[in-house]
Amino acid sequence: GQQVMQIPQYQHVQEGEDFTTYCNSSTTLSNIQWYKQRPGGHPVFLIQLVKSGEVKKQKRLTFQFGEAKKNSSLHITATQTTDVGTYFCAGLPRDSNYQLIWGAGTKLIIKP
Amino acid sequence: SAVISQKPSRDICQRGTSLTIQCQVDSQVTMMFWYRQQPGQSLTLIATANQGSEATYESGFVIDKFPISRPNLTFSTLTVSNMSPEDSSIYLCSVGQAREQYFGPGTRLTVT
Repeated sequence: GQQVMQIPQYQHVQEGEDFTTYCNSSTTLSNIQWYKQRPGGHPVFLIQLVKSGEVKKQKRLTFQFGEAKKNSSLHITATQTTDVGTYFCAGLPRDSNYQLIWGAGTKLIIKP
Repeated sequence: SAVISQKPSRDICQRGTSLTIQCQVDSQVTMMFWYRQQPGQSLTLIATANQGSEATYESGFVIDKFPISRPNLTFSTLTVSNMSPEDSSIYLCSVGQAREQYFGPGTRLTVT
């Protein structure tokens, strides 16, 4: 079946270090979305990428969508404690109207 | 965006009983989604609820176990029937189409 692989499962960083999570889809996507879930919270929409090769920035967060529209990444520069949480990608396959395929999530942990 | 509320926020239930979770949206929406999220895991879609028609269930989920109602465009309920400890999870409702989804705060269910 269609799936989106997301790695790594966890990433431990010192505050101020960078963080990156990657998603790779088994199928071509119409769009890919990114969500953040704080501990004890619910997923919150961050951004949607639609175009091949698209790059979007939100302050210290940079989102990329691959040329083939099958992979994506989220990069956080100079992590802060407020960045702690789990980041999920969710892809919409080209042959779907609404059903997203969710990645497994990457948990960002700041080392004390 | 949409503001979504869910009730109850959490519950502890006995094996064999049923729990109905309510989801209220502050605007009219065509589609509502019910997800399950087990601790430390990604989101799994249970079903899609459209107003005026039967819900569409994903593989592994059946109507007898997870009956859904959708009486109007702002409200839906999910019932978890004949519960077992394996049903312990967070249940989330969401709205949104292909571009972005908004989630309710979730219902944390523990079955003893």
